[in-house]
Amino acid sequence: EAQVTQNPRYLITVTGKKLTVTCSQNMNHEYMSWYRQDPGLGLRQIYYSMNVEVTDKGDVPEGYKVSRKEKRNFPLILESPSPNQTSLYFCASSFGSSGRRVEYFGPGTRLTVL
Amino acid sequence: GESVGLHLPTLSVQEGDNSIINCAYSNSASDYFIWYKQESGKGPQFIIDIRSNMDKRQGQRVTVLLNKTVKHLSLQIAATQPGDSAVYFCAEKTQGGSEKLVFGKGTKLTVNP
Repeated sequence: EAQVTQNPRYLITVTGKKLTVTCSQNMNHEYMSWYRQDPGLGLRQIYYSMNVEVTDKGDVPEGYKVSRKEKRNFPLILESPSPNQTSLYFCASSFGSSGRRVEYFGPGTRLTVL
Repeated sequence: GESVGLHLPTLSVQEGDNSIINCAYSNSASDYFIWYKQESGKGPQFIIDIRSNMDKRQGQRVTVLLNKTVKHLSLQIAATQPGDSAVYFCAEKTQGGSEKLVFGKGTKLTVNP
């Protein structure tokens, strides 16, 4: 089954404790993204990657890191989480063809930073 | 379930009625538009997309209309069912650059049986 998987689905942590949220896709997509979703603010892009070893900042990159060593994986790293990073996070992968860009989203990771 | 937004625009319809969800976009250079459905506790799910060289596209029970003159996009759902209850997002993409999608804040659709 074609899908994007994220782990963990739920995480409660404390300020300053490094964490990684994993993301994997099995659709051989070149483009992957991380979003955060907050009430009233919608989906905002954190980082994206157009291919292996190619990453760039989205709209809200502060406090986050990513890496893309393999095509299928795109982990999101919070080196020193803070309470304002409490949010719902989505990983997505997409194809682009003839001007289209269909993002396929994972199930989400609910992060709470105390 | 998880709330995806507070104070979202809402639309309430009766089962079997047609629904129309509207979206205004801001960038006249956007060349591609897409609609997503997000059910409580789940990730956004692709519904339908349209390129700017078209003004209408139909799918199964859904139709997207694009009016570039007034920068307006709409999603029509025919014979709305309780399973259509969700938050609906539009997104736009501008040609070139990062290829990223810019999402609207969403509309919550509630279907009453």
